[in-house]
Amino acid sequence: EVSVVESGGGLVQPGGSLRLSCAASGFTFGNHWMSWVRQAPGKGLEWVATIKQDGSEKYYLASVRGRFTVSRDNAKNSLFLQMNSLRAEDTAVYYCARDGRIIPTPNCWGQGTLVTVSS
Amino acid sequence: EIQLTQSPSSLSASVGDRVSITCRASQDIGNQLAWIQQKPGKAPKSLIYSASTLQIGVPSKFSGSGSGTDFTLTINSLQPEDFATYYCQQYNGYPRTFGPGTRVDIK
Repeated sequence: EVSVVESGGGLVQPGGSLRLSCAASGFTFGNHWMSWVRQAPGKGLEWVATIKQDGSEKYYLASVRGRFTVSRDNAKNSLFLQMNSLRAEDTAVYYCARDGRIIPTPNCWGQGTLVTVSS
Repeated sequence: EIQLTQSPSSLSASVGDRVSITCRASQDIGNQLAWIQQKPGKAPKSLIYSASTLQIGVPSKFSGSGSGTDFTLTINSLQPEDFATYYCQQYNGYPRTFGPGTRVDIK
């Protein structure tokens, strides 16, 4: 069964750092673009970052560029999001999503991990 | 940045109804549009890609149409499990953007 499972969320102070992980199973991880999408409390979905199969291309939401870094380890079927200089407005549920092999939009979503930035 | 608008923002419908949701893009995105369903407190679920192609396992009661700047999601014979928020998303370029969502609830 195809599955992606996030971990690493929690409470962090403004200016702090957090690293999210996403463990993939049930498919050939290295064949897919992967993305992070977030949802602030009571708000809609917001795309955060996307990484190419081999990690050679990365794209970011303007408001997180320079603070967040997306990476992957294909040998361990894992996706990561390193989040630095966190702000209150980064508070959200962060979803890991698998894009299609050819069509670059998610077709499999994790259950999400909550990141709360507060003092 | 490509902006997406959705209408209506919410609608009330009865079990068995047919409903349609519209998504409009601020520029031509071809058919690079997806529709996503989200139930309260749950993870999103992808329904449609390429404007009209159903994701594997999605029932045929869902259908999508449109190209360029105007798109429609239609749900036939609404069932209790279909009451949710529906988002469109464009992947024509970066940043990828989502519409604000349309909430479908029970009349």
